[in-house]
Amino acid sequence: GDSVTQMEGPVTLSEEAFLTINCTYTATGYPSLFWYVQYPGEGLQLLLKATKADDKGSNKGFEATYRKETTSFHLEKGSVQVSDSAVYFCALSGGGSTLGRLYFGRGTQLTVWP
Amino acid sequence: SQTIHQWPATLVQPVGSPLSLECTVEGTSNPNLYWYRQAAGRGLQLLFYSVGIGQISSEVPQNLSASRPQDRQFILSSKKLLLSDSGFYLCAWSPPGPSRANTEAFFGQGTRLTVV
Repeated sequence: GDSVTQMEGPVTLSEEAFLTINCTYTATGYPSLFWYVQYPGEGLQLLLKATKADDKGSNKGFEATYRKETTSFHLEKGSVQVSDSAVYFCALSGGGSTLGRLYFGRGTQLTVWP
Repeated sequence: SQTIHQWPATLVQPVGSPLSLECTVEGTSNPNLYWYRQAAGRGLQLLFYSVGIGQISSEVPQNLSASRPQDRQFILSSKKLLLSDSGFYLCAWSPPGPSRANTEAFFGQGTRLTVV
């Protein structure tokens, strides 16, 4: 079945450091891929998405490229800020999945120190 | 624009008591609706999803049930809470129809449930 494997955390970085959070997936068909962010005590917000191979999603300085050959969708940011501290979830939908259902990774806690 | 409302934000309930969490969506018709649970230190687990009024699918057999009495209302219930029901519950919606199968879901702010 469809699944997402996400880098285990927690990840602790200093401000302005480079961030990579790895995500790989298993899916039938042609899924869409997403990164969601969850700030403390809040629900999930969509950070970025990509709907087909080689697409690059980007938002707020974060980027991720849909790599079908490596079944990956790694999240990157060149210079993190304290305000980026949150939990990040990789997810997929579509392909062989139940209509509209999202499959999530376990989440990666990011803490950025000033 | 579409909005999703979920309440209450926090809830403390004794073991054996009933539960009712409500979620409503505005600004869209016939959405797909979902209940997820996020246990401490774990990822998100899909509990229930619904593609229409009265149509509920359960992903994980457990102490909870869901109902969809109206098009844009989704309710999560339990007759008797267990300690293991504690967690962060998230309601979400996505647009209907097979042409939007690869679309994202939009989440409510969540309910923090503590069973004591």
